[in-house]
Amino acid sequence: DAGVIQSPRHEVTEMGQEVTLRCKPISGHDYLFWYRQTMMRGLELLIYFNNNVPIDDSGMPEDRFSAKMPNASFSTLKIQPSEPRDSAVYFCASSPSGGQPQHFGDGTRLSIL
Amino acid sequence: QKEVEQNSGPLSVPEGAIASLNCTYSDRGSQSFFWYRQYSGKSPELIMFIYSNGDKEDGRFTAQLNKASQYVSLLIRDSQPSDSATYLCAVTAGNKLTFGGGTRVLVKP
Repeated sequence: DAGVIQSPRHEVTEMGQEVTLRCKPISGHDYLFWYRQTMMRGLELLIYFNNNVPIDDSGMPEDRFSAKMPNASFSTLKIQPSEPRDSAVYFCASSPSGGQPQHFGDGTRLSIL
Repeated sequence: QKEVEQNSGPLSVPEGAIASLNCTYSDRGSQSFFWYRQYSGKSPELIMFIYSNGDKEDGRFTAQLNKASQYVSLLIRDSQPSDSATYLCAVTAGNKLTFGGGTRVLVKP
C-alpha cells in the first residue's frame, strides 16, 4: 500500500512568494495532520482535518498560513506571503481514526531566502 | 513547562547493551502513547504504541506505561548501530498528538 505522499520534496523560493505544499493521505484514513519541524521548536502540529473538515487550526502560526482539504485524497498547506522564518520541514500525516497511530509522509523541506 | 518532556541526549550506548529512554507528560487525560524513531533527514517512523498501564513488547523493543506517574519509557534490547537515531515520544488527548523534543541515541560498535 502507498503511504502518505507529499510534494514537492524540496522547495526553495524567495521571500514574499506563495508556497503550496501538497499531501495525499493513505486511502481510508479519516484524519489528516500537518506538522512543522524545526531544530528550535521540534515537531509542532499546525492543523488537522477529520473527514475533510478542519477541526483544530490553533497551531497555525498566523494568517499567512492556510490549509484546505477539498476531498478525502488531497490536502494543501499554503503560505502567502512566505518569510525566511517559515523555513522548516513540513510533514503531513494520516491516521484511520482519532487517537490511532499516525503515519507520516517524507516531508517537504522548505527554504525561504 | 512542556507538555511532553524527554531528555535530549545524546544517549550513548555500547552495541549489544540496553538503551533506556524516558518520557513524562503533563496531561492526565492522555489516552494513547507512541514512540517514533526519526533518522536524520527522514520522517518519523512509528515503532511502538501503548494504551494501557504495564509493558508491551515487540521484538527488541519494550514500551512501559505508568499513568499514575505520567511516565512512559522505551527499552531497546541488544542495541545495534542501526538503532542510532532520535526517538520521539508522542502523547494524545483526544485526536491531537503532542510530541516531545526527542532523545538522540548513539549506539557505538
